[in-house]
Amino acid sequence: QQQVKQSPQSLIVQKGGISIINCAYENTAFDYFPWYQQFPGKGPALLIAIRPDVSEKKEGRFTISFNKSAKQFSLHIMDSQPGDSATYFCAASNSVAGSYQLTFGKGTKLSVIP
Amino acid sequence: DSGVTQTPKHLITATGQRVTLRCSPRSGDLSVYWYQQSLDQGLQFLIQYYNGEERAKGNILERFSAQQFPDLHSELNLSSLELGDSALYFCASSVDSVGGRELFFGEGSRLTVL
Repeated sequence: QQQVKQSPQSLIVQKGGISIINCAYENTAFDYFPWYQQFPGKGPALLIAIRPDVSEKKEGRFTISFNKSAKQFSLHIMDSQPGDSATYFCAASNSVAGSYQLTFGKGTKLSVIP
Repeated sequence: DSGVTQTPKHLITATGQRVTLRCSPRSGDLSVYWYQQSLDQGLQFLIQYYNGEERAKGNILERFSAQQFPDLHSELNLSSLELGDSALYFCASSVDSVGGRELFFGEGSRLTVL
C-alpha cells in the first residue's frame, strides 16, 4: 500500500522562527510532491509542490527540500507568523491508469505563538 | 474560494441510515475526487471520477458508492451508517493532467452519526 509518513504530529514555533515538517515515502514511482495547508473549517489548499528532478523549491517564505535517494522531503517555513498556524499535509502522487490521486501524510498541526 | 461547492455542510443522522453528499466541481474540471478526513487517519482517498466514469478506487467501503453525472457534479452515497463513519468528507476537483495535478478542495461535509 502506498504510504507517506509525516512528522511531527504537532509543532509549536515562536513568531519569527523556522518551522520544519518532514515526510518520507516508499513508492519510487511517485513523481509529484505537494504540500497542502488547511485552516480550521476549510478544505486543504495547495501551498507549494515539487517534482523529483529538483532538490529544492522556494516560494516566498516556504521552501521544499527534496532528497530523492533518501525518499524524503520537507517543508521549511521561514520567519513563521501567527497567520501560518494551520495543519499542513504533505502528499505524493503518480499516474496510475490515468489517475493522479494524492496519497496524504497524516498532517502536522502548526501553532505559531507571538 | 476554491470554486468547489459541497452540500450539506453539516449532517447529523442515526446509525443504519443513508445519506447523500453532493459536490459541484470547479468550472472546467473533469475529475472529482472524494476524501474522508478523520482525526486518526488523516485524509483518506475514497474514489475518483473522470468525466462521468470511475477512474480510481481507494479505501472506500462497500456501503459507500459514488457517481458523477453528465453535468459533472458528483454524489457520494453512504448507507447503513455506523458510528465510525462520522468524519469530514471532502470533494476535490482537478484538471487531472500531467501539467495540472493540483486538487481544489471544497469546504467539506461534516457527517455525525449518532
